[in-house]
Amino acid sequence: GDSVTQMEGPVTLSEEAFLTINCTYTATGYPSLFWYVQYPGEGLQLLLKATKADDKGSNKGFEATYRKETTSFHLEKGSVQVSDSAVYFCALTRSSSNTGKLIFGQGTTLQVKP
Amino acid sequence: GAVVSQHPSRVICKSGTSVKIECRSLDFQATTMFWYRQFPKKSLMLMATSNEGSKATYEQGVEKDKFLINHASLTLSTLTVTSAHPEDSSFYICSAKTGFSSGANVLTFGAGSRLTVL
Repeated sequence: GDSVTQMEGPVTLSEEAFLTINCTYTATGYPSLFWYVQYPGEGLQLLLKATKADDKGSNKGFEATYRKETTSFHLEKGSVQVSDSAVYFCALTRSSSNTGKLIFGQGTTLQVKP
Repeated sequence: GAVVSQHPSRVICKSGTSVKIECRSLDFQATTMFWYRQFPKKSLMLMATSNEGSKATYEQGVEKDKFLINHASLTLSTLTVTSAHPEDSSFYICSAKTGFSSGANVLTFGAGSRLTVL
């Protein structure tokens, strides 16, 4: 079945460091891919998405490129801030599904220190 | 923007009792809502898809008699954990479809409800 695998956390970085959180997926067809962020005490928020191969999603300085050849959707940010500390989830939904049902990775905790 | 409200945010109950969690869409109608369960340091596991006016669709391995879902109106879905036991302690999150953008459904998530069964 469809699945999403993320790198183990927590990831601890100093402010202004470069961030990469790896995400790979297994799915039939051409899924849509997402990154969600969960700040402490809050619900998940959509960070960015990509719906077809080679698309690049971007938001708030974060970027991820849909790589079908490597079935990956790695999240990157050039310079992290303390306020980026949160849990990040990679997710997919089948393109053939119109229900919006999401399959999530296990989440990666990011801790940014001043 | 669209807001999904969950209530209660935290609940503690005794083993054997039932607990109801509400998920409301504020300022929009949600024909489809989803219920997830999140374990510590684990991913969100989809439990069921809740459709307004019809029976919920449960994922494989989820006990529908244990986790009762009711979606009686376009703005409210409820999850009732019946005869709760300590292993049901978890973080339950709901979400609702709020739009469609660039070829993908947009979901809005509630802040979650933490259930602790003693």
